Order: sequence, then structure tokens, then C-alpha cells
Amino acid sequence: EPEVTQTPSHQVTQMGQEVILRCVPISNHLYFYWYRQILGQKVEFLVSFYNNEISEKSEIFDDQFSVERPDGSNFTLKIRSTKLEDSAMYFCASTRQINQPQHFGDGTRLSIL
Amino acid sequence: TQLLEQSPQFLSIQEGENLTVYCNSSSVFSSLQWYRQEPGEGPVLLVTVVTGGEVKKLKRLTFQFGDARKDSSLHITAAQPGDTGLYLCAAHSGSGNTGKLIFGQGTTLQVKP
Repeated sequence: EPEVTQTPSHQVTQMGQEVILRCVPISNHLYFYWYRQILGQKVEFLVSFYNNEISEKSEIFDDQFSVERPDGSNFTLKIRSTKLEDSAMYFCASTRQINQPQHFGDGTRLSIL
Repeated sequence: TQLLEQSPQFLSIQEGENLTVYCNSSSVFSSLQWYRQEPGEGPVLLVTVVTGGEVKKLKRLTFQFGDARKDSSLHITAAQPGDTGLYLCAAHSGSGNTGKLIFGQGTTLQVKP
């Protein structure tokens, strides 16, 4: 069964450094999402992406965050200058139709030191 | 702001016992999803409930959607250690029509042999 894959599984970065989290959504899916889960807290929506542009972003998704789908298969989340509070699990999800179940990757654990 | 409240947050039971997890909101949703998440993995969809009053069964798991489509429950019969995990309810947010999901805070279930 096709699945969403995320790399790396764990990223450790110094505060202030840039990180890029990568996702390969399921190939015939059209809607893409990033969520994050801070340890002990609920899964939170960050951003949705459709037709090569952001369709919605949350308050968390400030100017330090950006997303890109550079080559039609990868979907990346970039954090320009990481902060300690960016430490979390970041999940990518995709779906073929809006309001249909989303398929999640196994996440990237981001640790900011 | 649409919120999903899950209860209980933690549940530790013996193998063979029954349990129920609740997901409540003051908002009406067109559908609601239940996910299960294991450590180090992303949420995996268990079921989607769509119609008010709907009951769906998945082996020993029974899911119910409230008549008013504001709440849902997950009942597990004769729990087994393999049921251990984090159970999340989620729903599509009514705003923006981008398919973004909002999540409950999750119920951590531990089934002891």
C-alpha cells in the first residue's frame, strides 16, 4: 500500500540554524499538509498546500516557516532560524480529495539545542 | 474556535477489560475520524464516521457518532496488550475549506497482560 515517507526521522540542530524537513506524499494525492506535535500536546495544524500554493496557514506558521514542492514529488518544510520551541514531531500528510481521510508519514523528530 | 476534547487522557487497564473513550465538542462536524498512533509513528486512520447516530465496528472496536454530530465514542471490548497506544479523534475544521484537521489531545491506553 502506498505510504507517505518522511526524512530524516530525527534531526538535531543548533538554535538559529535552518532546517529542511522532507516528505514524499502518495503519488496521486493533491492536497498536502504539515502538522506538528510538541511532546505531551495535541497535534496542531501548520499549513495546507494545493495547486502549488499555500491554501491555509496557522498562526504558528510565521515568516520563519516556508513550504515548497520543488519537483512534483517532494514536499518540504523549511524553518529558517530555529528556536528552542520549534522542538517537536513534524508530520506530513496527504490526501487525494479535500475532506477525505489524510495519510500521515511517521514524522520527523526535530530537536533544537 | 473549534475544539475537540477527549477523555480520559490516560487509561491503564488489565487485558480482557472493556473501555470507552470519548470525544466531545460544542461544534457540529460533517464527519469525525479516529486515529491510532504508536510511539515513533504517525497517526493511522481507524475509521471515519459521517452520519449522526452512525455505529461502525472494527473487530473489537465500536465507534459511534452522536446524533447531533458533536461527539463520538470509541469502545473496545476485551482489550488486549496489542491495543496499547495513543487514540486520537480528529475532524475537518469548518473554516477555510482546506481540509485541515483539528485533533483532540488524545487518550493514552495501556493494556497490561
